[in-house]
Amino acid sequence: EPEVTQTPSHQVTQMGQEVILRCVPISNHLYFYWYRQILGQKVEFLVSFYNNEISEKSEIFDDQFSVERPDGSNFTLKIRSTKLEDSAMYFCASSLDRGHQPQHFGDGTRLSIL
Amino acid sequence: ELKVEQNPLFLSMQEGKNYTIYCNYSTTSDRLYWYRQDPGKSLESLFVLLSNGAVKQEGRLMASLDTKARLSTLHITAAVHDLSATYFCAVVPGANNLFFGTGTRLTVIP
Repeated sequence: EPEVTQTPSHQVTQMGQEVILRCVPISNHLYFYWYRQILGQKVEFLVSFYNNEISEKSEIFDDQFSVERPDGSNFTLKIRSTKLEDSAMYFCASSLDRGHQPQHFGDGTRLSIL
Repeated sequence: ELKVEQNPLFLSMQEGKNYTIYCNYSTTSDRLYWYRQDPGKSLESLFVLLSNGAVKQEGRLMASLDTKARLSTLHITAAVHDLSATYFCAVVPGANNLFFGTGTRLTVIP
């Protein structure tokens, strides 16, 4: 069964450094998302992306965050200057449409900021 | 403020027993999702509920949706150890972003 893949599985970064998290969505999906989950807490929406532009973003997704689909297969999340509170599990998801189909999640990238 | 509250937050139940997890939400949403998360793992889609009165069943799990009451339930029948996980409901307050509930951590004990 097709799946969403994310790399790396674990990223350790010094505070203030830039980090790029990578995702390969399911190939025929059109809608892409990033979510994060701070340890032990619920999953929070960051941003959705369709047709090469951001569709929606949450309050968490401030100017330090950006997303890109550089080559038609990868979907990346960049955090420009990481903070300690950015430590979380980041999940990429994709969906075929924005209606009846569920969003399919990757295994996540655990981001640890030191 | 949008709220999606699940009840209970923690559930320990014996194998073979039945129980229901509740998901209350404070905004209108034309659909509701249930996901399962094993420790340290990703989220697995269980159910998509699309209309008032919708009921879906898969194995020992059955989900229902009452949009008027803004309530969804996830019923577990004759629990087995493999069902131990955290279960999240999620609504759609915007175009397509999921707003997740607080989660219910289920532990099934022999």
